[in-house]
Amino acid sequence: DTAVSQTPKYLVTQMGNDKSIKCEQNLGHDTMYWYKQDSKKFLKIMFSYNNKELIINETVPNRFSPKSPDKAHLNLHINSLELGDSAVYFCASSQALGVYEQYFGPGTRLTVT
Amino acid sequence: TQLLEQSPQFLSIQEGENLTVYCNSSSVFSSLQWYRQEPGEGPVLLVTVVTGGEVKKLKRLTFQFGDARKDSSLHITAAQPGDTGLYLCAGGPPPSNTGKLIFGQGTTLQVKP
Repeated sequence: DTAVSQTPKYLVTQMGNDKSIKCEQNLGHDTMYWYKQDSKKFLKIMFSYNNKELIINETVPNRFSPKSPDKAHLNLHINSLELGDSAVYFCASSQALGVYEQYFGPGTRLTVT
Repeated sequence: TQLLEQSPQFLSIQEGENLTVYCNSSSVFSSLQWYRQEPGEGPVLLVTVVTGGEVKKLKRLTFQFGDARKDSSLHITAAQPGDTGLYLCAGGPPPSNTGKLIFGQGTTLQVKP
């Protein structure tokens, strides 16, 4: 069983479109995260949620809106996609807030043309 | 802004050689982790160190946290082709109740048979 899963694996879209990435974890964890990994492999946190509550919002443009319908799911919706949004987006989870061990999903490679 | 600097960024060695990867900062971290990422996959946690001076071993991998909790190192003995991958250090900045991780820029290791 996959611990942290993301869909889709690949997403190719045009500038100006709106797209969503879904994430689910079956580990029973309370905290979930979204990270962006750029072309140089640098990983940067975007958001974190704890039991559906937003904890961290790292000055991400308003075009990015995370939603957590329950603590096992954290989705990422992106409006008006721009070329600079092209990256690999990773979802991760941890047992609880303040527990640093994080478990990552396989990533979603977003390409904006 | 807290930063973690990894060195070297790229390392290409022959099977059987030893190597050390460094992760340095001017800031104190509550904990420090090492992850390994393979192409097309998410990072996988290798180890967490939390106490200054702590040393942990995982088979041929030895991890050390600096006394001042500002730096860490990863030493691999007798590297094997299976060790090839991107190694990422990540630090949890205090306070330790947010789960936020700051990642280094990564070290790409290639072990040739």
